[in-house]
Amino acid sequence: ILNVEQSPQSLHVQEGDSTNFTCSFPSSNFYALHWYRWETAKSPEALFVMTLNGDEKKKGRISATLNTKEGYSYLYIKGSQPEDSATYLCAFTSGTYKYIFGTGTRLKVLA
Amino acid sequence: DAMVIQNPRYQVTQFGKPVTLSCSQTLNHNVMYWYQQKSSQAPKLLFHYYDKDFNNEADTPDNFQSRRPNTSFCFLDIRSPGLGDAAMYLCATSRDTYEQYFGPGTRLTVT
Repeated sequence: ILNVEQSPQSLHVQEGDSTNFTCSFPSSNFYALHWYRWETAKSPEALFVMTLNGDEKKKGRISATLNTKEGYSYLYIKGSQPEDSATYLCAFTSGTYKYIFGTGTRLKVLA
Repeated sequence: DAMVIQNPRYQVTQFGKPVTLSCSQTLNHNVMYWYQQKSSQAPKLLFHYYDKDFNNEADTPDNFQSRRPNTSFCFLDIRSPGLGDAAMYLCATSRDTYEQYFGPGTRLTVT
């Protein structure tokens, strides 16, 4: 059974703090790892699609790294702002249009 | 501008009464997905369409059916909703295996 794990489940940080979360996924039959941000009452929004081992992607203050050999990806947020408060989801695919999501990391940034 | 639209946002149905959830997209994407997310759990893929080709996940109950009459629309039919089918239902689209674009979801309550 393929499983995607995210940690921590939730966290609270102060505005201005930097933070990171982990997504663990199967290291075999890897095709891509997606990161999404899901704000309350809105649609999940794609952040990154990562495909190559060693990939590093960045969008503003948010960045992500990928290690396909050991099966993990980190998402980093530098200088967290209240508007970063959301649930961050990762999804693994072996390229068959089947996406296996983690349960997400719920981030709350306190002003 | 909304790109993936789901109607209604909230749906209440009675135990055993058939219900249909709808999804439409303006992106002209060839792949459409339906996910079920129960409280605090990961979104779970129910099925997807690649163009007109329907792909059911092995563990999706027979109670769940889908229709895609054209590129823009996709429907989720629950033939006889049970209490355990209460969940958030997310529709998503993609161009092949690129990132998915999600609708805001329909929260289904079964009374």
